[in-house]
Amino acid sequence: NAGVTQTPKFQVLKTGQSMTLQCAQDMNHEYMSWYRQDPGMGLRLIHYSVGAGITDQGEVPNGYNVSRSTTEDFPLRLLSAAPSQTSVYFCASSRNAPPGGLQPQHFGDGTRLSIL
Amino acid sequence: KNQVEQSPQSLIILEGKNCTLQCNYTVSPFSNLRWYKQDTGRGPVSLTIMTFSENTKSNGRYTATLDADTKQSSLHITASQLSDSASYICVVSARGGSYIPTFGRGTSLIVHP
Repeated sequence: NAGVTQTPKFQVLKTGQSMTLQCAQDMNHEYMSWYRQDPGMGLRLIHYSVGAGITDQGEVPNGYNVSRSTTEDFPLRLLSAAPSQTSVYFCASSRNAPPGGLQPQHFGDGTRLSIL
Repeated sequence: KNQVEQSPQSLIILEGKNCTLQCNYTVSPFSNLRWYKQDTGRGPVSLTIMTFSENTKSNGRYTATLDADTKQSSLHITASQLSDSASYICVVSARGGSYIPTFGRGTSLIVHP
């Protein structure tokens, strides 16, 4: 039981490049979320999903796309990377409660992304 | 605007000592408050979750308290261990509509031998 797995762990991009951050969970959780963590700031919700085929925007969705074709996977896409997107990205899942709900979220160990 | 403020920003204590971390919030209407522990280079791990009707919740050597009237919470760590060195994050969520939780910036705790 691996929990929430994020790949890659580190990535360096040039401005304007695109990439997909991968997130997979093996706990059969309904809800999955993406956050970014910047120095001196709390985590901020980017996008979340309440189940396969259903996604919604969080606090800072601009510049990011998501889709949820299976229960297990929730990739985050940067279409045209900008230096302001340099951050640590965390994926999380919870069994049957949304990001602010009454169940704990299980986080992956993050992807450290630098955009030059 | 919903806000979560944590204090102190950082704290250094000796192994075996107790400590208390503070969290003040302005999130309304209140739904729940959570404390997470985040080790360096890892994702946050849930310690406790409290709703409006709960004023104390324990998880081993970690005890969280909640005063919904004054909108304050604390996390007390008893008999600290070197493995308690981490960032402790307070997260508050509102009832109804928005699913967006508000995260504090965290308190960085260092436990020295």
